[in-house]
Amino acid sequence: EDKVVQSPLSLVVHEGDTVTLNCSYEVTNFRSLLWYKQEKKAPTFLFMLTSSGIEKKSGRLSSILDKKELFSILNITATQTGDSAVYLCAVESSTGNQFYFGTGTSLTVIP
Amino acid sequence: EAQVTQNPRYLITVTGKKLTVTCSQNMNHEYMSWYRQDPGLGLRQIYYSMNVEVTDKGDVPEGYKVSRKEKRNFPLILESPSPNQTSLYFCASRRLGPYEQYFGPGTRLTVT
Repeated sequence: EDKVVQSPLSLVVHEGDTVTLNCSYEVTNFRSLLWYKQEKKAPTFLFMLTSSGIEKKSGRLSSILDKKELFSILNITATQTGDSAVYLCAVESSTGNQFYFGTGTSLTVIP
Repeated sequence: EAQVTQNPRYLITVTGKKLTVTCSQNMNHEYMSWYRQDPGLGLRQIYYSMNVEVTDKGDVPEGYKVSRKEKRNFPLILESPSPNQTSLYFCASRRLGPYEQYFGPGTRLTVT
């Protein structure tokens, strides 16, 4: 059965902390892994990773994929209250072009 | 503005009363998809479409129908809604290939 598991389920940190969110997967015929941010509305796209070991970076956010060990991490440095959201990990299978989402990590950043 | 639109945004209905949630995109995307989001279960794919007249089941297709008669529209049909279909529904679209999905604003459906 194809599945995506995210950890931790929730996280509370103080502004300025660095956080690491985890995503492991078992998906047949992996094509890509995507990270989204969801703030009480539609998910917004953060990163797409298709190749192992390549880091994608945007400001304080970065992500890396390990296709051998079947996981990805999303790092957020110098967290701000605006980073408070649910972070979703999704994996696309080339078998039928389906997407499998994890249940998300709820991040709360306290001032 | 490039966007995915859904209507209605909120809907309260009764068991068994057929309903349709519309989804439209203006980006000429080939791929469109419907998801439902439930607490503790995350986003689950209901149906998706790779192009006009091509639709496929996702993980949770039971109780739903879709159609893709035009490239820009992908309506979700609930022929006989039941309370377990109470959920937050998202439509999404993207170009074929390794590209991000763009999500609509969501439709909050309550079936009593």
